[in-house]
Amino acid sequence: QKEVEQDPGPLSVPEGAIVSLNCTYSNSAFQYFMWYRQYSRKGPELLMYTYSSGNKEDGRFTAQVDKSSKYISLFIRDSQPSDSATYLCAMSTTGGFKTIFGAGTRLFVKA
Amino acid sequence: ETGVTQTPRHLVMGMTNKKSLKCEQHLGHNAMYWYKQSAKKPLELMFVYSLEERVENNSVPSRFSPECPNSSHLFLHLHTLQPEDSALYLCASSQDSPGAQYFGPGTRLLVL
Repeated sequence: QKEVEQDPGPLSVPEGAIVSLNCTYSNSAFQYFMWYRQYSRKGPELLMYTYSSGNKEDGRFTAQVDKSSKYISLFIRDSQPSDSATYLCAMSTTGGFKTIFGAGTRLFVKA
Repeated sequence: ETGVTQTPRHLVMGMTNKKSLKCEQHLGHNAMYWYKQSAKKPLELMFVYSLEERVENNSVPSRFSPECPNSSHLFLHLHTLQPEDSALYLCASSQDSPGAQYFGPGTRLLVL
């Protein structure tokens, strides 16, 4: 079983839709949860960084962590064509340098 | 320059060549990372340096050799690579552990 599972998509939605992206994980020691956005031919860009369980909101983006279910989500409200990219979830434990990434979900937002 | 920069952005090399990838971070961070990104696969951590000491070496073949001369610079020396080493090589930096990592644009490497 992979430590982090992420549906590769592609996910195609119309402009203005609410997008839900998800990852599941198996290691209960993960405490730090990140979402990155990666445009084609670019490096990943940090979107959200959360510790432990709960919600975090930043503009149109909301990150949710449910440690009891080992499930994290990223919601994008009022999606725009400029949100079309690959979204990577990532997670790590306390005290180490190793971050485990999901394979990424490819998102297309159609105008 | 801001953030994390990488040079070159593209590199084509033969299997007998020796080349180096360079990364520089302008964020004042104390940890730097090398990742390999292949199509449809998760990012693979290769090496981590914290305060200029290597703290992670993820079973990477010896044809990849990292060097961290100071906290702002990171190199990846390449020699006798294989075609399956063709990938996007990403550098990242963070402040402490397990800090959020900030990535450079990557070097797209093609080994012929």
